[in-house]
Amino acid sequence: NAGVTQTPKFRILKIGQSMTLQCTQDMNHNYMYWYRQDPGMGLKLIYYSVGAGITDKGEVPNGYNVSRSTTEDFPLRLELAAPSQTSVYFCASSPRDRGHHEQYFGPGTRLTVT
Amino acid sequence: GESVGLHLPTLSVQEGDNSIINCAYSNSASDYFIWYKQESGKGPQFIIDIRSNMDKRQGQRVTVLLNKTVKHLSLQIAATQPGDSAVYFCALNSGFSGGYNKLIFGAGTRLAVHP
Repeated sequence: NAGVTQTPKFRILKIGQSMTLQCTQDMNHNYMYWYRQDPGMGLKLIYYSVGAGITDKGEVPNGYNVSRSTTEDFPLRLELAAPSQTSVYFCASSPRDRGHHEQYFGPGTRLTVT
Repeated sequence: GESVGLHLPTLSVQEGDNSIINCAYSNSASDYFIWYKQESGKGPQFIIDIRSNMDKRQGQRVTVLLNKTVKHLSLQIAATQPGDSAVYFCALNSGFSGGYNKLIFGAGTRLAVHP
């Protein structure tokens, strides 16, 4: 299994541009999540999904959108990028029988907005 | 409100020594407490968890202790190795909200292992 994969690894955006961060997992996990990690800080939940077709907001959803059309994929969309969205973004997944606390993380996408 | 804090931002240990990483929390409703390890340039990796009805749980070279009276969680690593160098996060679940028992992560402690 590849686990959780994320693309791209790095990206520089100009203010006002848009982009989609891709996330795919091959473990057939029901639950998926998007986090952002600012320097020296813990993880903040942006959006999560408990299954295909079901998504909900986390702690910091403003400026982002998600979709979950399949079990495997959970893309994160940034519209009108702002410098405050400069961060490292992690996608994660977890199996239903482990609740939400054993999460498997991807390698992250480092995004800079200038 | 919920908060998760770490006692020290950086911990330096000698290779072969035992390491203890501490975490304080405020949410009494949490039923799981979890430790994650994040190596440089990688995503966090689940290490071990403990349920709120336990006070100790052991894994391979790691032990997690939970003291609910003082709301304190610790991770002990035996015979620390260079490969243990990483940032360690404690996390806890915050209670159900719309079907999701979300995780709250602390800011992390950096463990530096010296030869």
